[in-house]
Amino acid sequence: EVQLLESGGGLVQPGGSLRLSCAVSGFTFSSYAMSWVRQAPGKGLEWVSAISGSGGSTYNADSVKGRFTISRDNSKNTLYLQMNSLRAEDTAVYYCAKGVSSGWYPNLLFDYWGQGTLVTVSS
Amino acid sequence: DIQMTQSPSSLSASVGDRVTITCRASQSISRYLNWYQQKPGKAPKLLIYAASSLQSGVPSRFSGSGSGTDFTLTISSLQPEDFATYYCQQSYRTPYTFGQGTKLEIK
Repeated sequence: EVQLLESGGGLVQPGGSLRLSCAVSGFTFSSYAMSWVRQAPGKGLEWVSAISGSGGSTYNADSVKGRFTISRDNSKNTLYLQMNSLRAEDTAVYYCAKGVSSGWYPNLLFDYWGQGTLVTVSS
Repeated sequence: DIQMTQSPSSLSASVGDRVTITCRASQSISRYLNWYQQKPGKAPKLLIYAASSLQSGVPSRFSGSGSGTDFTLTISSLQPEDFATYYCQQSYRTPYTFGQGTKLEIK
């Protein structure tokens, strides 16, 4: 059974940092691209970051470029999102999501999702 | 960026109804269009990929069609568990963007 379990969310002040983790099981982690998708309260879905199965290629949306870093440890079956210089508009539930191939371009879609972890940026 | 526009934004329907949700891309995306269902407090679930392919385990009452810029998701006979919010997503070009969502409510 495929499982994705996010952790690391919480309340942080503007300008602060947070690292999210996503522990996965039930599939060969290194064979699939992974992503972070976020959802602000009461809003729609926004794709944030992606990383290839090997970890050699990454993508960040313009809204987080230079502030967020996606990474993975294939030996630990874990995906990470390092979030720096956090802003109020980063407040959202952050989902990790599994891609359907090893690359994130082209055609990245998400066949399994975690339950999400809430990040609140507020003073 | 490719803009994805769904219509309607909300929809009221009854159990047993046939429902169609539309998604329009701001430029051609071939058939790189996916549909997700999200229930309150839950993660999205993949329903349809590549415009018309049914994800494993998804009931056959769900179907998708379209290519280029115009796409539809159809639920042939609404069931109580189908009341949720539906999102389209283009996977043609980065950044991969989602529609704003269509909330399907019980009439």
